Parts: sequence; structure tokens; C-alpha cells
Amino acid sequence: DSGVTQTPKHLITATGQRVTLRCSPRSGDLSVYWYQQSLDQGLQFLIHYYNGEERAKGNILERFSAQQFPDLHSELNLSSLELGDSALYFCASSASPGPYGYTFGSGTRLTVV
Amino acid sequence: AQTVTQSQPEMSVQEAETVTLSCTYDTSESNYYLFWYKQPPSRQMILVIRQEAYKQQNATENRFSVNFQKAAKSFSLKISDSQLGDTAMYFCAFKHGGYQKVTFGTGTKLQVIP
Repeated sequence: DSGVTQTPKHLITATGQRVTLRCSPRSGDLSVYWYQQSLDQGLQFLIHYYNGEERAKGNILERFSAQQFPDLHSELNLSSLELGDSALYFCASSASPGPYGYTFGSGTRLTVV
Repeated sequence: AQTVTQSQPEMSVQEAETVTLSCTYDTSESNYYLFWYKQPPSRQMILVIRQEAYKQQNATENRFSVNFQKAAKSFSLKISDSQLGDTAMYFCAFKHGGYQKVTFGTGTKLQVIP
């Protein structure tokens, strides 16, 4: 257990639907990052939150949004889902700036049918 | 924007042998950090090793070591005494100082052959 909790682990939904992915960072970590990994691809940065504030956006579609709550958990909302949104979505957290890498959650496997 | 390049999509190595995975990166910054992550078939992302750019000494973690060539912007990973459990996708990653995001390479798929 890495200490970063992502739910659900698997999600199957139809095109056009909306889903919410949830992430609880490791205890004490203020930063949460979301990444998308399509089949056999690298990780694409979506968005970064630090202590409730959006810090950076990557290639995140307008159909996607995220937020970080006062208890530091984060949610990634995906709407008007398309087949191409099928991917593994990772949440990662880090303690502070500096040489720390991420601690990753186990990911949410989203399948859009 | 920084880029990370892994030019070896797939590699294989015999069990107990040594293998080196290559990575190059591009940045104009002087303060940055480099990482290697492992993603086994379980899909969990696991931090293998990290290197701070200001440190000249190459990082080592048990059987894993890096060859950090700052002037060449090269950061290769050497796995010694390869084990079957090393079979995984390996991602090279880069991060500027501060709260910057981590940028990942496209990965090298390593197969350890018994």
C-alpha cells in the first residue's frame, strides 16, 4: 500500500456519461497530480493541485475538471465520455517541493463502451 | 518545455545479467531532478531511483544504479543481476525544482528471460 488511495479501481461506462474518480493523497502530502495513461502509452499530465488550489494544467480536455477539497482529497470529473477516454487514470501525491518523486495510487481503469 | 526521450521501446535480458536503459532529456534549467519509475504488469507505478542534478555522484539503490551525464543530458539506468521480477515498463522522468510537475518519457519495456 503506497498510502495514496484511488477509487474505484475499475469503471465501465457508456459513451456520453459522466464519472468521478476519487483520490486521497498520502498523509501529510499537500500536492495531488492527475495523469492519464492510454493503452501502452506514457503518462500524460492532466492537472496539479496544491492545498486546494490549482497549480498547473496539462493537456486536460474541457470535458474534464478536477478539484481538491479542504481535507486534501481530490476528484477528477470526466463528462461526455468518448471511447478514446478509455485509459488508466493515476493520482499521485508529493510532500513538498524538492527532490521528491511522486507516490502513486494504484490507478482507476476506465473503460468507455 | 522539457522533454524526456527513451529511444529503446523494448529490451530483453537474461536472468542474472546486466542491462542498461537509456534516457536523454532537454532543459535549460540548472535545478532539476531525474527519476526512474517501474511499472510491472500490475500497473502500479513504483519509484526505483532518483538523482538530483546538483549532485555529481551517481545514485545507487541495491541492484539499480544510474549513469548521470549532466553535460550530455543523459540519465541511464543500469540493472545488475537481473531478476524475473524486474520485468516491467520503465519510465524515465524529469522534474524542475519547486512544485513543478513530473514529465515522463514514453517508456522502455524490459523482459527478463529465465
